[in-house]
Amino acid sequence: DAGVIQSPRHEVTEMGQEVTLRCKPISGHDYLFWYRQTMMRGLELLIYFNNNVPIDDSGMPEDRFSAKMPNASFSTLKIQPSEPRDSAVYFCASSLGYTQYFGPGTRLTVL
Amino acid sequence: GESVGLHLPTLSVQEGDNSIINCAYSNSASDYFIWYKQESGKGPQFIIDIRSNMDKRQGQRVTVLLNKTVKHLSLQIAATQPGDSAVYFCAEANAGKSTFGDGTTLTVKP
Repeated sequence: DAGVIQSPRHEVTEMGQEVTLRCKPISGHDYLFWYRQTMMRGLELLIYFNNNVPIDDSGMPEDRFSAKMPNASFSTLKIQPSEPRDSAVYFCASSLGYTQYFGPGTRLTVL
Repeated sequence: GESVGLHLPTLSVQEGDNSIINCAYSNSASDYFIWYKQESGKGPQFIIDIRSNMDKRQGQRVTVLLNKTVKHLSLQIAATQPGDSAVYFCAEANAGKSTFGDGTTLTVKP
């Protein structure tokens, strides 16, 4: 298995632009998680899905952030409009049991 | 609320020595405890886990100890190698969701 796949690996954009991050979980996994990691705040859970249904989005910072999971093999995290404070590494992870398998992350820089 | 924390943000050890990374947790109802390793530029990767009804589990060069009385979790790495340099996270898992601690940065000196 190729593991969790994220794209793009790096994204540089200007403040106010829309950013879409993509994730393909491991086939057969029924949970999908989106995290944000920064030096100041560490690893933060933004939202997670079970069987494509959002379960807990309490970690989503504000209405500028939205996530979807239209099917079992694809999820997106969208930021609109983006702000410099959104700069971070965004990880997607999937799981079947308790252990989560993380993707390589998307490093987002908002200028 | 739930929280998982690590006692020390950084740990420096000599190559060949044993390393012990500690973690305190607050949710006594957690089902599983998991240690992850995050190398620079990568996502966290599973190292070892332990079910809440166990107090010790061993892997290859790693051992996890769970003390439910004081809500303490530790990761022991035997004969630490340069490749062990990374950030280590403990996490407590319940019903599919995990709560991660702040992480301990392990540096191995040659």
